[in-house]
Amino acid sequence: AQSVTQPDIHITVSEGASLELRCNYSYGATPYLFWYVQSPGQGLQLLLKYFSGDTLVQGIKGFEAEFKRSQSSFNLRKPSVHWSDAAEYFCAVGATQGNLIFGKGTKLSVKP
Amino acid sequence: ETGVTQTPRHLVMGMTNKKSLKCEQHLGHNAMYWYKQSAKKPLELMFVYSLEERVENNSVPSRFSPECPNSSHLFLHLHTLQPEDSALYLCASSQGTSGGRTDTQYFGPGTRLTVL
Repeated sequence: AQSVTQPDIHITVSEGASLELRCNYSYGATPYLFWYVQSPGQGLQLLLKYFSGDTLVQGIKGFEAEFKRSQSSFNLRKPSVHWSDAAEYFCAVGATQGNLIFGKGTKLSVKP
Repeated sequence: ETGVTQTPRHLVMGMTNKKSLKCEQHLGHNAMYWYKQSAKKPLELMFVYSLEERVENNSVPSRFSPECPNSSHLFLHLHTLQPEDSALYLCASSQGTSGGRTDTQYFGPGTRLTVL
């Protein structure tokens, strides 16, 4: 079955600290992977995506993610978190019908 | 207007009411989607339209009725809803037709629905 797991429901980091959000997927074919961010009261904004090629992908707002096929993972990272990064982050895999299968999300809080 | 817009942003309705959610995309895309976002659950796909034809209905109750009159507009008609239908309803669009697993989806801000 196709699924996406985000093991961490809520993470708190200090401003300026590094961040890693975990994502594991289960998909029978080649996965097409996405990270989206949702600020309170807003829709989802695409941070980055992986289709093929270099397994380290760069996104907007200083985020990057690394695809590891052997671990079925696509973890999101940022070297230095800013207070404005506080939001909910969703990992997703592109499914057969063209829709996205999402994880449950990880809520990020940033301490000053 | 740019991107994907949704109206209304907030809606409160009784279980016997009939209401509609509207989504409009200004991106020239061919596919549109309705998702439901409930607390503590993953976003759930409800409907997919490609070139104005429904291609996916994810076992959604009949009290939700979608309509796609053209490639820019998508509606979700609501009737006799239940309190558990209270959620954020998100609309999205993407460039490709059905099967476009690599298509980036662009989301609207959502309609926060409360059913009393």
